[in-house]
Amino acid sequence: NAGVTQTPKFQVLKTGQSMTLQCAQDMNHNSMYWYRQDPGMGLRLIYYSASEGTTDKGEVPNGYNVSRLNKREFSLRLESAAPSQTSVYFCASSSDRVGYGYTFGSGTRLTVV
Amino acid sequence: KQEVTQIPAALSVPEGENLVLNCSFTDSAIYNLQWFRQDPGKGLTSLLLIQSSQREQTSGRLNASLDKSSGRSTLYIAASQPGDSATYLCAVFTSGTYKYIFGTGTRLKVLA
Repeated sequence: NAGVTQTPKFQVLKTGQSMTLQCAQDMNHNSMYWYRQDPGMGLRLIYYSASEGTTDKGEVPNGYNVSRLNKREFSLRLESAAPSQTSVYFCASSSDRVGYGYTFGSGTRLTVV
Repeated sequence: KQEVTQIPAALSVPEGENLVLNCSFTDSAIYNLQWFRQDPGKGLTSLLLIQSSQREQTSGRLNASLDKSSGRSTLYIAASQPGDSATYLCAVFTSGTYKYIFGTGTRLKVLA
């Protein structure tokens, strides 16, 4: 099925460890996004890529880096995980910069101990 | 700074009822507003997108309205069913920002 695929689905890290969350879409979308979802906080944008070759900071970029590897793939890296980064992470893509065809992945539940 | 609020945070209704979910936003300079559904442990699914120039959008039993000047949107669900149980989030795309700001959602439970 066409859509947004995120890996892994679950991950437990120790404080200070690093990891990369992978995201790929097969809808030929131009824009891709990384969000985190925390109880009572809603979804907050971490980074986004409006088009291949560009990335920009969202609301909560500290402690994260991203790479738009090609049009399909957008990865999120935690260089030195902290307990405050325990969250559910969602990748999304859209066909343009203004939200059409917004499609979310199923999420990665990350726990940092 | 755009802020999006959804009230109530949770709602339980008996099957068959018509219901309204509310979304308010502080900055009326929006490009569009989108309603999403999220099932437990899953990602978000887009339900309806309303352009800033539109007053409402309909899809099946769902009807979303937008009053940009007052900073409000409503999602009307007709003849609710247990399968409608989920969290409903609204998201506002503010002009010039290229990103959505999400509300914290309304958790809906439809009782059989």
